[in-house]
This record gives sequence, C-alpha cells and structure tokens, in this order.
Amino acid sequence: DAKTTQPPSMDCAEGRAANLPCNHSTISGNEYVYWYRQIHSQGPQYIIHGLKNNETNEMASLIITEDRKSSTLILPHATLRDTAVYYCIVRPSNDYKLSFGAGTTVTVRA
Amino acid sequence: NAGVTQTPKFQVLKTGQSMTLQCAQDMNHNSMYWYRQDPGMGLRLIYYSASEGTTDKGEVPNGYNVSRLNKREFSLRLESAAPSQTSVYFCASSEQGGPYEQYFGPGTRLTVT
Repeated sequence: DAKTTQPPSMDCAEGRAANLPCNHSTISGNEYVYWYRQIHSQGPQYIIHGLKNNETNEMASLIITEDRKSSTLILPHATLRDTAVYYCIVRPSNDYKLSFGAGTTVTVRA
Repeated sequence: NAGVTQTPKFQVLKTGQSMTLQCAQDMNHNSMYWYRQDPGMGLRLIYYSASEGTTDKGEVPNGYNVSRLNKREFSLRLESAAPSQTSVYFCASSEQGGPYEQYFGPGTRLTVT
C-alpha cells in the first residue's frame, strides 16, 4: 500500500536545477513529507521536510501543493555528487518509522 | 562530532552463528533505530528505542533482539543467523520521535552463508 509515487529514474545536467516530483494523493492532515537521499553504499541522508508550507535549507527547496497531494524537491544547482537515490516519504507526526519505497534514481551528468 | 557510528563495517557469518552489531551516537539524541536494506530495496525498520530504557518492534523484528545500553548506544543481536538475514544494517538516531529527522550511520554489511 504505497503512500508515495515517484518516477523510477531521471537525468539532470550538472549546474542545472533538478526537480524531483512526488505524488502523495492520500496524505492525511497530520502527515509530514520528508525527503532523504542515499548515495551508493552509504547511509541515507536527510534533506528536508515540511507539513504545509514550502521549505528551503542549504541543500534544497521543498514545494508542497496547496492540496498537499503532491510535492517537488528542488536541487538548485545539481552537481555530480548529487547522483543518488532520492526517497520521498510521508510520515505521521507521531510515528517513529520511516517507510522507504523504491525512490527515484537521479543521475547528474557532466 | 562523529554522528552515528557502527561496528563492524563488514561481517561474514555461518548459519546458526550469533553476533551483535554495535551502534553509538554522540548527538545526545533520545531515539535510536535499526533498519535493514536488502539489495535493490528500501529500508525496513527492525526495532527502535524511543528513549533510554524502552524498545519496540518495527516492521521486521523476527530473528533479532536489541538492547538500549544507555542513551548513546543501541545494539542489535542475531542469536542464530540465517541466510535470509544477509543484508546491510543501518542504525539511526533522532532528537526525539515524531517529526524529527533521523541521522544514519554508514551501515554494516552482513553476509550469512
């Protein structure tokens, strides 16, 4: 029972913005949207999370639609080191676990 | 500040052997977690500890036990290893449960033959 839907893969040119979509049409009011990434053979790395409002930090921006049924992670200037699997996760505020799906494999090309 | 550390990095066991995976964090976090990742799959939660002195089962607890030794350390024990437990094991910690980000260790790659 997948809570999120992401494209399996996408390519991005180095130096350009990477826009990663995520569909979460069944999201509930108390569920947050999280983004993590996993660079090959490493532990997952937290990127950003949000509830309703758009969020920005030093790594990325998170844009959540007004109805909260979808979101987009934006990497403003992709580098080769951003090549990774990106996971969009929906999680209730009182839940401990992160449920990782298949994610999107992002390949940044020179 | 090392974050989350795990030992060992690699381990090969024979079926039926036991071992303990160690995890420590130096961020003064209250909550700690153990996940496993099978090839080509996402992570699945094995056990978690919401705070020192408490532990709870996750999605796939069978065949594992855990100990929250103190606030810093959370160990995972395989009493009788099976080939199905061949996986990469990740430990994570967070300030608390709920909407707090989790920080992951580098992983332990375990092969059971």
